[in-house]
Amino acid sequence: AQSVSQHNHHVILSEAASLELGCNYSYGGTVNLFWYVQYPGQHLQLLLKYFSGDPLVKGIKGFEAEFIKSKFSFNLRKPSVQWSDTAEYFCAVRGSGTYKYIFGTGTRLKVLA
Amino acid sequence: AAGVIQSPRHLIKEKRETATLKCYPIPRHDTVYWYQQGPGQDPQFLISFYEKMQSDKGSIPDRFSAQQFSDYHSELNMSSLELGDSALYFCASSLAPDGYEQYFGPGTRLTVT
Repeated sequence: AQSVSQHNHHVILSEAASLELGCNYSYGGTVNLFWYVQYPGQHLQLLLKYFSGDPLVKGIKGFEAEFIKSKFSFNLRKPSVQWSDTAEYFCAVRGSGTYKYIFGTGTRLKVLA
Repeated sequence: AAGVIQSPRHLIKEKRETATLKCYPIPRHDTVYWYQQGPGQDPQFLISFYEKMQSDKGSIPDRFSAQQFSDYHSELNMSSLELGDSALYFCASSLAPDGYEQYFGPGTRLTVT
């Protein structure tokens, strides 16, 4: 069955701390991978995406993610978080040739000023 | 830049009533997706349309139906509403179904009382 696992449901960090959010997926085929952020009361916004090529992708607001095919992982990282990064982060997978996203359960990040 | 537009933004209905949610994709986008996000949950894919034809179907109840019109806007029709239908309903659009990321609208918050 296709699924996405986000291991950290709640993360609390102080400003300037480094961030890594885990994402593992289960899918038998080529995938496209995404990270979306949802600020309180707002809609999902694309942070970054991986379709092919360099497995290290850089997104907006200083975020990056690395696709490790052998580990079926697409972890999100940021070297130094800010208070404004407080939000919920969703990892999503789409199988090549399909239309729908499968979302992980999300990680709520709280950054303390 | 133009974004995905959803209307209404908030909707309150009673049990057994019907509701119609509307989605206007980003100009030139021909693919529309509907997702349901329950409180504290990840978005669940409902249905998608490409060039006015249903392209994929997820966990959409039989009480719900949707279509995409000639101008590419889409409507989600929900009948015999139940309390459990209370959720945030997101619409997303993309330039094409494959190879492009989805852009999400602000959502319609449906409350069934």
